[in-house]
Amino acid sequence: KQEVTQIPAALSVPEGENLVLNCSFTDSAIYNLQWFRQDPGKGLTSLLLIQSSQREQTSGRLNASLDKSSGRSTLYIAASQPGDSATYLCAVRSAGNNRKLIWGLGTSLAVNP
Amino acid sequence: GAVVSQHPSWVICKSGTSVKIECRSLDFQATTMFWYRQFPKQSLMLMATSNEGSKATYEQGVEKDKFLINHASLTLSTLTVTSAHPEDSSFYICSARGQVMVNEQFFGPGTRLTVL
Repeated sequence: KQEVTQIPAALSVPEGENLVLNCSFTDSAIYNLQWFRQDPGKGLTSLLLIQSSQREQTSGRLNASLDKSSGRSTLYIAASQPGDSATYLCAVRSAGNNRKLIWGLGTSLAVNP
Repeated sequence: GAVVSQHPSWVICKSGTSVKIECRSLDFQATTMFWYRQFPKQSLMLMATSNEGSKATYEQGVEKDKFLINHASLTLSTLTVTSAHPEDSSFYICSARGQVMVNEQFFGPGTRLTVL
């Protein structure tokens, strides 16, 4: 059974810092992995999607890496800003017929001005 | 592209009433729609998956008679919470997947349900 873990559960940093959020999964048989952002009381915004054959994806100040064999992904945020404060969710799409998204519990990020 | 909307964005109702939440794919045809619920400080929990024109497939522990899902068209799915109780208060999020990008889902903004 696929399980997704995100570390740390919460993170508070001063503005301008580079930071890394971690996501690990137990079953390497995945189609893809996706990072989302969720603001309090709001829906999800997709940040980056990495296919199982890819090693990383970049969008602006965000870079996500995927090491499928070790079951790990990291989301790197460069030069963090107060507007980056949100909960970041990692979700893995399992291989197989159902292709369900399996979710981590998220990392709550606070970037302080 | 790939926009999913939900209506209403929030609703408050009395215990015992039924509430309908709509989920629409605005610029693509959603062959599959997913309904999630999320409790405070927790991650998303999949409630059910529905394919257009078919009955929804419910996850274990989700009461299908309480959470009625209809996916009658390729752009609209509805979730009706019947005889709502305070414990049904939650954040409900829908997601849609099209025919082409079958390994990607697009999420609605969510509906906050509060049952008094």
